[in-house]
Amino acid sequence: DTAVSQTPKYLVTQMGNDKSIKCEQNLGHDTMYWYKQDSKKFLKIMFSYNNKELIINETVPNRFSPKSPDKAHLNLHINSLELGDSAVYFCASSQDLTRAAEAFFGQGTRLTVV
Amino acid sequence: GENVEQHPSTLSVQEGDSAVIKCTYSDSASNYFPWYKQELGKRPQLIIDIRSNVGEKKDQRIAVTLNKTAKHFSLHITETQPEDSAVYFCAASLGAGGGADGLTFGKGTHLIIQP
Repeated sequence: DTAVSQTPKYLVTQMGNDKSIKCEQNLGHDTMYWYKQDSKKFLKIMFSYNNKELIINETVPNRFSPKSPDKAHLNLHINSLELGDSAVYFCASSQDLTRAAEAFFGQGTRLTVV
Repeated sequence: GENVEQHPSTLSVQEGDSAVIKCTYSDSASNYFPWYKQELGKRPQLIIDIRSNVGEKKDQRIAVTLNKTAKHFSLHITETQPEDSAVYFCAASLGAGGGADGLTFGKGTHLIIQP
């Protein structure tokens, strides 16, 4: 019973392609997030999604778009992939926005752009 | 926005010794400071946290201290064991433990426990 699950775990793709990463949480949480962890292990938030409200980190390129079909899912779509997009992407969820610090992380998706 | 600095980037200690990791933050409005442990190839996991109205918190071999005036907080691990080897991240958040900005992480400390 994985609380936050992401698929795929590994993704290798060519530059210019469009890809998606799926995330599902079964914790009944109201808020979900996407974090990016670069090659130097630096973790940085990309998006917060709460009650159909999307908060975007201003540094995220518009090639990245989260899509939430329902409260339990927050998928990440990436268009026109670039080499610099290679990283590990973590989905996370928290009970609500006031508890982001208690977020539970998924296992991560290692994206490699070649 | 918030900026979190973390030091050292790598820390090697002998098994049984203590380890200390330090972080500073820039936004005085931050009032919740969690620490995450990330083992190789695994997800970050919350190990301990502290709120701004508390100066110190302990949980077995792990303790965290907070100095709001100086805007720094530290993780202390005593009697280190091999399974403590991991990357540790400090983080800061606004509001009552969170917010739309999520967590601002430090750059991580790779803790190596030497047998």
